[in-house]
Amino acid sequence: SAVISQKPSRDICQRGTSLTIQCQVDSQVTMMFWYRQQPGQSLTLIATANQGSEATYESGFVIDKFPISRPNLTFSTLTVSNMSPEDSSIYLCSVEGQGSYEQYFGPGTRLTVT
Amino acid sequence: DAKTTQPPSMDCAEGRAANLPCNHSTISGNEYVYWYRQIHSQGPQYIIHGLKNNETNEMASLIITEDRKSSTLILPHATLRDTAVYYCIVRGDNNNDMRFGAGTRLTVKP
Repeated sequence: SAVISQKPSRDICQRGTSLTIQCQVDSQVTMMFWYRQQPGQSLTLIATANQGSEATYESGFVIDKFPISRPNLTFSTLTVSNMSPEDSSIYLCSVEGQGSYEQYFGPGTRLTVT
Repeated sequence: DAKTTQPPSMDCAEGRAANLPCNHSTISGNEYVYWYRQIHSQGPQYIIHGLKNNETNEMASLIITEDRKSSTLILPHATLRDTAVYYCIVRGDNNNDMRFGAGTRLTVKP
């Protein structure tokens, strides 16, 4: 299994500002994933981040709004840029277990934009 | 990836078996069935997965029909801590990301 931590656990931000969310894994992993969960909704994949390459974004998500860094095999960041109240969500990172098909999720970052 | 259909909500009495159904009629031969759950305010938790054979682990059992068009997750003795949203996901072995549907909100009642 993998243990994932995220920082911050929650934040309240003003519209127009940006927030960078950190995801740290206790083991080296090839692929990391970023999800968004809007209030009362299911999870939606934002992007897939491989170390050493550009992140791959899903339809409806763009790099200018959600830039992602993946500097090494245990860490990634997601930035939510120029925030609006519609960005209020829980943001989760996840990784795939080594040699298995299970995905492990972090505890999430609860973002409220006022 | 194939799409899944689950009932939006279910109730179960504490100590009884919880049987959560999932339809995945468009599943293809190389796609696995996964189950995750999300307890309030936490990240999703892996429960079990299978291809065509029934599977059992310490958390649950997964029953997949012979034609693989549907499956059932069984929690044999539900407790109040099993109250959560349960997601059934179909994913090919060449895909890496999980695509979540709406899930089933299971409420275990005393």
